[in-house]
Amino acid sequence: SQQGEEDPQALSIQEGENATMNCSYKTSINNLQWYRQNSGRGLVHLILIRSNEREKHSGRLRVTLDTSKKSSSLLITASRAADTASYFCATGGTSYGKLTFGQGTILTVHP
Amino acid sequence: EAEVAQSPRYKITEKSQAVAFWCDPISGHATLYWYRQILGQGPELLVQFQDESVVDDSQLPKDRFSAERLKGVDSTLKIQPAELGDSAMYLCASSPAAAGAQETQYFGPGTRLLVL
Repeated sequence: SQQGEEDPQALSIQEGENATMNCSYKTSINNLQWYRQNSGRGLVHLILIRSNEREKHSGRLRVTLDTSKKSSSLLITASRAADTASYFCATGGTSYGKLTFGQGTILTVHP
Repeated sequence: EAEVAQSPRYKITEKSQAVAFWCDPISGHATLYWYRQILGQGPELLVQFQDESVVDDSQLPKDRFSAERLKGVDSTLKIQPAELGDSAMYLCASSPAAAGAQETQYFGPGTRLLVL
């Protein structure tokens, strides 16, 4: 079963624009992680935010976490064509380090 | 940079046949995960190992799927017999963290299975 729901399911933007993806989840979490997947490939870890953190930055990425609303957002600033990929949020609970993934947002950045 | 290795990358088989996938995690990673990803969806955990022990196989269809990590290093996931609905990407991931710790998982390139 998948805990997270990502919104939007698909996002199409021009290079240079910002892209924002949202993730909502249902149960209490220990941390929330964002991963990127290029077509037909494995997932690449982008950023991890713990339940006691509200915001985290990594390069052009900014992640926020609102545990009261059970939601998170991923912002990619000044997007590039190479950012075209599927983006997944994954929630970590207390069970053996297990991650539960959402269904993903497909991001297309047009040159 | 160390990577998780998986083979084969692609596998086509007929239903009722047996298939096996292999994963070699990053050296020193204690925890190994097998996920199944159906097209258009996120990965779903099938089984998690801590060293050679299974710590979570609650979502593994045990009537046809089996997984082992005999020496606590590489791992094999087997399906016997394969069914049409097993067509998916099978992803292996590893983590240096002990089971229960919440850290980054490192994914391999996956094995794409097509059952005809």
